[in-house]
Amino acid sequence: SAVISQKPSRDICQRGTSLTIQCQVDSQVTMMFWYRQQPGQSLTLIATANQGSEATYESGFVIDKFPISRPNLTFSTLTVSNMSPEDSSIYLCSVEKGGAWAFFGQGTRLTVV
Amino acid sequence: GENVEQHPSTLSVQEGDSAVIKCTYSDSASNYFPWYKQELGKGPQLIIDIRSNVGEKKDQRIAVTLNKTAKHFSLHITETQPEDSAVYFCAASNTGNQFYFGTGTSLTVIP
Repeated sequence: SAVISQKPSRDICQRGTSLTIQCQVDSQVTMMFWYRQQPGQSLTLIATANQGSEATYESGFVIDKFPISRPNLTFSTLTVSNMSPEDSSIYLCSVEKGGAWAFFGQGTRLTVV
Repeated sequence: GENVEQHPSTLSVQEGDSAVIKCTYSDSASNYFPWYKQELGKGPQLIIDIRSNVGEKKDQRIAVTLNKTAKHFSLHITETQPEDSAVYFCAASNTGNQFYFGTGTSLTVIP
C-alpha cells in the first residue's frame, strides 16, 4: 500500500491567481498521476508525472495551465494557473504501486471565486 | 482508448438488502478491474479488485464478478449497512499504469 498526503486539503482562490498543490508519498513510486474530479463527476486524468522528465498530459490539458513538477520519487506538485470558476474541482494525486494498484490522496477541494 | 460505462448512477436500498453495480468496458486488453469507494470529502479508496484470469472474488460482504467475453464486471454488496453509503467507482486498466474510471454510482442505504 501507499500513504499519500496532499496539501492543501481545500482552498478558496480569486480568479486569475494560481494555486500549487503538493503530493507527498511515504515510499518511492515510479509513476504519479493527477486527476480532476468536477462536482458530481467521475475522475479525469490530467497528466502523468514522471521523475526526471516532463509530465505527459492528456487531451484537453496543457502544461501552461497545469504545470507539474516531479523532483524526486516521493513528491510532486500540480499548479492550477490563471484560475477561473470553471477550475473549481477536486484535484487528486494518485500513485501506482505493486504493479497494478492505484492509491489516492484525500484530494484538494478548490473553489475559485 | 478504453471506455468504461457504469450503471446505475444512483441506487437506494434498504439496510440489509443487497446492492449490485455494473460496469462494461470496451478494450479487450484491459486486465485489471478495481472498485473504489469515495466518501464525502475524501479521496477514492480501493475496496476490491479482480484480474482478468479470475471470474469472481469475494471479501466478506463484498464480491466482484468478471465476464471477459461480455466485457462486463459487477460489484455485489450483501447485507448492506448505512456506512456503505458512498459513491462507488469502477475502473479498468491495462498493466495498471493508467486507469479509466466509470461515472460513479451514488449508493444510499436506508436504515
